[in-house]
Amino acid sequence: DIQLTQSPSFLSASVGDRVTITCRASQGIRSYLAWYQQKPGKAPNLLIYAASLLRSGVPSRFSGSGSGTEFTLTISSLHPEDFATYYCQQLNSYPPITFGQGTRLEIK
Amino acid sequence: QLVESGGGLVQPGGSLRLSCAASGFTFSDYEMSWVRQAPGKGLEWVSYINSRATTVYYADSVRGRFTISRDNAKTSLYLQMSSLRAEDMAVYYCVRGNYMDVWGNGTTVTVSS
Repeated sequence: DIQLTQSPSFLSASVGDRVTITCRASQGIRSYLAWYQQKPGKAPNLLIYAASLLRSGVPSRFSGSGSGTEFTLTISSLHPEDFATYYCQQLNSYPPITFGQGTRLEIK
Repeated sequence: QLVESGGGLVQPGGSLRLSCAASGFTFSDYEMSWVRQAPGKGLEWVSYINSRATTVYYADSVRGRFTISRDNAKTSLYLQMSSLRAEDMAVYYCVRGNYMDVWGNGTTVTVSS
């Protein structure tokens, strides 16, 4: 099974900051990676798919990059509504479809 | 839109059947999955079914106990859960596609005596 490890697990930042979250795969997954945002009590929301493609309607301050085993999600300038938990997900090799453990982004 | 139902309180060893009603898109065109989230924990993929129900997959943690199915005529997805354990307690989400672009609001399964 492919394991996904996100870093950091917890991130404290301020409105306006640029933040980057990393997702590392235990083996190569080409570009079959997605990023999701989840707010408390809500279902996750797809932000990025195929590692770098921005889903329609998602603000352009979100971007994704990477291929193979290392991927990043970058938020160029944090807005108050961006404070949430972020998950990466791989679907290069399944079953199983796997998620990272999550990165909780909190307001400093 | 995806709307789950069927969650509730069940004793260990019991069974539940979750349903997911789909609307607003051509259900029969899409692969579907169930994803769960235990209280305070991350996301865990549970099961997958392709658009024609000819291929199904399960997480190791549920294989042999859970059965995924769909009825394209009724635009519905199902998860039959049996031999439930405390560790199955979670919010269960119905999701569309491999890149999970549509999620339901979830239905809560509580396993307790």
